[in-house]
Amino acid sequence: KNQVEQSPQSLIILEGKNCTLQCNYTVSPFSNLRWYKQDTGRGPVSLTIMTFSENTKSNGRYTATLDADTKQSSLHITASQLSDSASYICVVSVGFQKLVFGTGTRLLVSP
Amino acid sequence: EAQVTQNPRYLITVTGKKLTVTCSQNMNHEYMSWYRQDPGLGLRQIYYSMNVEVTDKGDVPEGYKVSRKEKRNFPLILESPSPNQTSLYFCASSPSRGNYGYTFGSGTRLTVV
Repeated sequence: KNQVEQSPQSLIILEGKNCTLQCNYTVSPFSNLRWYKQDTGRGPVSLTIMTFSENTKSNGRYTATLDADTKQSSLHITASQLSDSASYICVVSVGFQKLVFGTGTRLLVSP
Repeated sequence: EAQVTQNPRYLITVTGKKLTVTCSQNMNHEYMSWYRQDPGLGLRQIYYSMNVEVTDKGDVPEGYKVSRKEKRNFPLILESPSPNQTSLYFCASSPSRGNYGYTFGSGTRLTVV
C-alpha cells in the first residue's frame, strides 16, 4: 500500500531557531517527492520537488533532502520566522499519475 | 498573474441540492485535479484530467462528477450532496505529467447540512 508518514505531527519552536521535519514513504514506483507549505485554510504552495537522483534541494531558508535507499526525506528550516507557521506536507508522486499526500506537520513559530 | 481560481470560497447547502464548484486556470496547463482535505487525513484525490475530454477517477470519486470541455476549466459537480461531503476542496493544475509542481487554488469550504 502506498503510504507517506510524517513526523512530528506538530511542533512549536522559538523564532530564529532551526527545525527539521521528517517524511518516510513506501511508494512504488517512485517518481518524485515534493514538499508543500499550507497556511490555514489556504491551498498548498510548492517548496521543493526532488527526483530519484537528487539528494538535496534548497529554496531560500528551506532545504529538503532525499535518501531514496531508506525512503526518507527531511525538510530543514533555517532561522525560522513567524511567517513559517503553517502545515508542511510531504507528497510523493507514484508513476507521474498519482500523488500520495502525508497528513502534514503543523509548525508554530513562537515569538 | 498565474493562478488557479476556485469559486465559491465558502458554501453552505442542504442535503440533495445539486451544486457546482468551479475551477479555472490561466496557465494553459494540461493536467487538472480535484482533492478534498479532511481533519487528520491527507489530501485525497477525487478526479483528475490529463487533457480536454479526458477525465479519470481518483481515490474517492463516489458522489462527484467532473467535466473538462475546455482546457482552462474543470468544474466539480455534486449531484446530490450529503453531509459526509462536508470538506475543504482544492483544485490543482500542472503543465502535464512529470516532475512539475502543482499550483493549487485557494480552496472551497463546503458544508452540507
